[in-house]
Amino acid sequence: EADIYQTPRYLVIGTGKKITLECSQTMGHDKMYWYQQDPGMELHLIHYSYGVNSTEKGDLSSESTVSRIRTEHFPLTLESARPSHTSQYLCATEPRENTKNIQYFGAGTRLSVL
Amino acid sequence: KNQVEQSPQSLIILEGKNCTLQCNYTVSPFSNLRWYKQDTGRGPVSLTIMTFSENTKSNGRYTATLDADTKQSSLHITASQLSDSASYICVVSDRGSTLGRLYFGRGTQLTVWP
Repeated sequence: EADIYQTPRYLVIGTGKKITLECSQTMGHDKMYWYQQDPGMELHLIHYSYGVNSTEKGDLSSESTVSRIRTEHFPLTLESARPSHTSQYLCATEPRENTKNIQYFGAGTRLSVL
Repeated sequence: KNQVEQSPQSLIILEGKNCTLQCNYTVSPFSNLRWYKQDTGRGPVSLTIMTFSENTKSNGRYTATLDADTKQSSLHITASQLSDSASYICVVSDRGSTLGRLYFGRGTQLTVWP
């Protein structure tokens, strides 16, 4: 099993604040993903990375940005949080050689923007 | 349009009873299908994964079936326990490669009562 750490687990902030959600992994997996999940809804891919210095936007339009300077870290940043950003954010990893596309998920960050 | 539909949306059963969750998909091409269990406030954890040639896969009290012709899968839980209370998510991958993408269902929320 992959060890994936997301911090913070819960965050309540005011509108307009800049926030960074952290995701780190210890398995050396090349691929990393950020998903957004609302209650009772499917996961939506917002960003992904296939390795250091590689970042791509996912299917869901997002006002967030990501960076991948090191293999272990894949932080997600919201420059100006809005109530519409209230959601659960899940980070996932996947090893390079993974023909079955199995992803390993972190525990998530539940964000509330007031 | 590639979609994954799950039913029922929610289910309540008594401890010790069996239940079956359904997943229908229209994803093409098809690579594999997996069932995830997501506890409240946690990230999804993989239960089973099946490729085109596999029509059943077990993991303890969980048994998944796949009919690739009708594009249907089911997850059967035997002798349910309180710890089975969670959301069960069906995920389909469209190709077994680095370009494979995942399609997520909305999940079935299972509640097991004592």
